[in-house]
Amino acid sequence: NAGVTQTPKFQVLKTGQSMTLQCAQDMNHNSMYWYRQDPGMGLRLIYYSASEGTTDKGEVPNGYNVSRLNKREFSLRLESAAPSQTSVYFCASRQAATEAFFGQGTRLTVV
Amino acid sequence: QKEVEQNSGPLSVPEGAIASLNCTYSDRVSQSFFWYRQYSGKSPELIMSIYSNGDKEDGRFTAQLNKASQYVSLLIRDSQPSDSATYLCAVNPSSGYNKLIFGAGTRLAVHP
Repeated sequence: NAGVTQTPKFQVLKTGQSMTLQCAQDMNHNSMYWYRQDPGMGLRLIYYSASEGTTDKGEVPNGYNVSRLNKREFSLRLESAAPSQTSVYFCASRQAATEAFFGQGTRLTVV
Repeated sequence: QKEVEQNSGPLSVPEGAIASLNCTYSDRVSQSFFWYRQYSGKSPELIMSIYSNGDKEDGRFTAQLNKASQYVSLLIRDSQPSDSATYLCAVNPSSGYNKLIFGAGTRLAVHP
């Protein structure tokens, strides 16, 4: 019963470093999402993928890139990390317009 | 105008009371609506989904949808201290069938 698995759980980066956040789901869902959550801001959509092979920008895509590697995996890349990208990142997946299931989150700090 | 708006709170209610949480959305033709609960440091978890006008009840929780007025609400009856959390409203906008947009969340505090 893994559901949605994110790695890593915690990460500290220096300004300008790059990294990739990994997400995998085992529920055979078509749609996958990346959100960031800052205090008092709720969840803001960075990118989403409606199906394998497609990706679309969300509300706050600047500074990020994504790859839908296959139906199971959806990665988020920070090419040159900035302190403004310090946040908690959540990956989610769902089938069509039904409920989304979330991973446990990645707490990222950029110093 | 934000796509999904919620009062950030905190909303403070005594144990046993009814907590009423509200959410408004800007896209008149949005189709699917969700309420999630999030405890501090944890991931969001679904409480209710609602797709058509009217009320939907599940235990102590009732979701109410009014598409004409573009709001969705969540009522929690017999509130318990364990209900203290942030409640997030989420909407599927017509601009993208697979998009899922969240409000900023309302913090609920239930005091004994």
